[in-house]
Amino acid sequence: QVTLKESGPALVRPTQTLTLTCTLSGFSLSTSGVRVSWIRQPPGKALEWLARIDWDDDKAYSTSLKTRLTISTDTSKNQVVLTLTNMDPVDTATYYCARSKYGVPFDYWGQGTLVTVSS
Amino acid sequence: QSALTQPASVSGSPGQSITISCTGTSSDVGGYDYVSWYQQHPGKAPKLMIYDVSKRPSGVSNRFSGSKSGSTASLTISGLQTEDEADYHCSSYSSSSTPFVFGTGTKVTVL
Repeated sequence: QVTLKESGPALVRPTQTLTLTCTLSGFSLSTSGVRVSWIRQPPGKALEWLARIDWDDDKAYSTSLKTRLTISTDTSKNQVVLTLTNMDPVDTATYYCARSKYGVPFDYWGQGTLVTVSS
Repeated sequence: QSALTQPASVSGSPGQSITISCTGTSSDVGGYDYVSWYQQHPGKAPKLMIYDVSKRPSGVSNRFSGSKSGSTASLTISGLQTEDEADYHCSSYSSSSTPFVFGTGTKVTVL
């Protein structure tokens, strides 16, 4: 059974760095053709794609957030980690991780984790 | 990178058909057959309904269909049911520096 689960802090102060972890189950990022993306959704707003890491460790980032984002993996734990620096209240959103495989985009999603940025 | 344009809301009665549009540019929707659609119920994660413009993942009802003309993609829901009431998001591969772009989202209401 394929599952993804996001974890991280629910509250972050402005200027702090957010670190989110996506734990994968039922599949491995080491498998050819597998990709994991991070996508966020501010309350009541549209989805926004943030970053992606591939089975071969290739990475891609949203142009608008590239200077603040880092995506990485911990293969021993089958986890994908996202860091977002210099958090601002506009970064308040539900953050999702989602799998893509063999060109089928975002076929499995995590439940999402709400991150609020407030002092 | 601008979001793809969707109507804010679409409504229909049970049994009717509705169509949601998703307008982009030649750099995304118009340039590639990599448009996908997601259904999202309140408080839930999105669910893949259509990919590669018109392909349905296993388990998705054949009442959902996708198409594309030029830089506008469309999702049609036929035989509208109460459980179809949700938000729908389109997405496309993009040749811009950001490889994926989502739409502005459409709220579907079943009257």
